[in-house]
Amino acid sequence: GQQVMQIPQYQHVQEGEDFTTYCNSSTTLSNIQWYKQRPGGHPVFLIQLVKSGEVKKQKRLTFQFGEAKKNSSLHITATQTTDVGTYFCAGPNGSGNTGKLIFGQGTTLQVKP
Amino acid sequence: DTEVTQTPKHLVMGMTNKKSLKCEQHMGHRAMYWYKQKAKKPPELMFVYSYEKLSINESVPSRFSPECPNSSLLNLHLHALQPEDSALYLCASSQRADRSYEQYFGPGTRLTVT
Repeated sequence: GQQVMQIPQYQHVQEGEDFTTYCNSSTTLSNIQWYKQRPGGHPVFLIQLVKSGEVKKQKRLTFQFGEAKKNSSLHITATQTTDVGTYFCAGPNGSGNTGKLIFGQGTTLQVKP
Repeated sequence: DTEVTQTPKHLVMGMTNKKSLKCEQHMGHRAMYWYKQKAKKPPELMFVYSYEKLSINESVPSRFSPECPNSSLLNLHLHALQPEDSALYLCASSQRADRSYEQYFGPGTRLTVT
């Protein structure tokens, strides 16, 4: 079945260091979404990428969608303690006409002050 | 208002109890979802409602029974649960289900089955 793989599973960084999480799909995606879940919290939508090769920035966060629309990355520049949490990528199941998302396993980021 | 609310926040129930989880959104969204999330795992889809009709049931055991009374409300009725059903239950909504829209999650109900 369709799979979305995400690496690394965990990342510990010193505050101020950069962080990147990678997402790979077994199938071509019509779009990819990213969510952040703080410890004890719920997933919060960050962004959706739709176009091949698309790059979007939100302050210190940079999101990329691969040319083949099968991979994506989230890069955080100069991490802060507020960046702590688990970052999930998610792609639509199949043609994307059911609302069902396939989530990656998530990357948990710990930031040491 | 981009808020999805869920009650209760915490629930402890025995294996013979019947309880219900409630979810509400006032964003005019026509798709609503129930997810189950275990610690250190991604959300796992259980049900999708589209325009108040059940459109996806991910082979969920019948001890979980969803209900969508109207476009703003979603319930999950629980009966004869097992200890392995202990998890965070998340409700989410999106504009529609016929395209890939962003999903707004509620804070969840942390369920413990004893």
